[in-house]
Amino acid sequence: AQSVTQPDIHITVSEGASLELRCNYSYGATPYLFWYVQSPGQGLQLLLKYFSGDTLVQGIKGFEAEFKRSQSSFNLRKPSVHWSDAAEYFCAVGEGGSQGNLIFGKGTKLSVKP
Amino acid sequence: NAGVTQTPKFQVLKTGQSMTLQCAQDMNHEYMSWYRQDPGMGLRLIHYSVGAGITDQGEVPNGYNVSRSTTEDFPLRLLSAAPSQTSVYFCASSSLTGGENQPQHFGDGTRLSIL
Repeated sequence: AQSVTQPDIHITVSEGASLELRCNYSYGATPYLFWYVQSPGQGLQLLLKYFSGDTLVQGIKGFEAEFKRSQSSFNLRKPSVHWSDAAEYFCAVGEGGSQGNLIFGKGTKLSVKP
Repeated sequence: NAGVTQTPKFQVLKTGQSMTLQCAQDMNHEYMSWYRQDPGMGLRLIHYSVGAGITDQGEVPNGYNVSRSTTEDFPLRLLSAAPSQTSVYFCASSSLTGGENQPQHFGDGTRLSIL
């Protein structure tokens, strides 16, 4: 069965520092991969997605993620974090086909120090 | 273009009461789903639908019913609320075009407390 692991429950970084959030997935075929962000009291907003092609994908708000098949990873990165990036981040994997179900990781909460 | 609209935003129920959480989307998406979000658990799929008249169970379906009579609406029913159903509920929708997982669009959530 598919699964998604986000090893870090909570990460704190200083404003202006670089960020990497880890995501590992378990899936037999080429997965569809997503990163979502959730601000407090809000729904989830799509940051970026990977379907195929270039393994480095760019998203909104200056985020990028790299798909590494050999490591079953899809880590999210940002070169310089802003205070407004403080939120919870979710990695998700989908299997495509005739239904659109996604499997979500348990999330990583990002705090940003001034 | 409203996207995915959930009502109500907050609700408090007593154990044993019933209620319906409403979800509507205006993007003509075939796929709609309900998740519950609990601290440290991420989002868990309750039920989903790939079109009008078609529904199926997700990971945690017990205690919940759904129906899909139109493309736009996908209500979630709690027939007899239990404290374990205290959670934040999210509705999401996506296109099923091309056999690929398309990004899901989320509502703002319903915060439900069962006393």
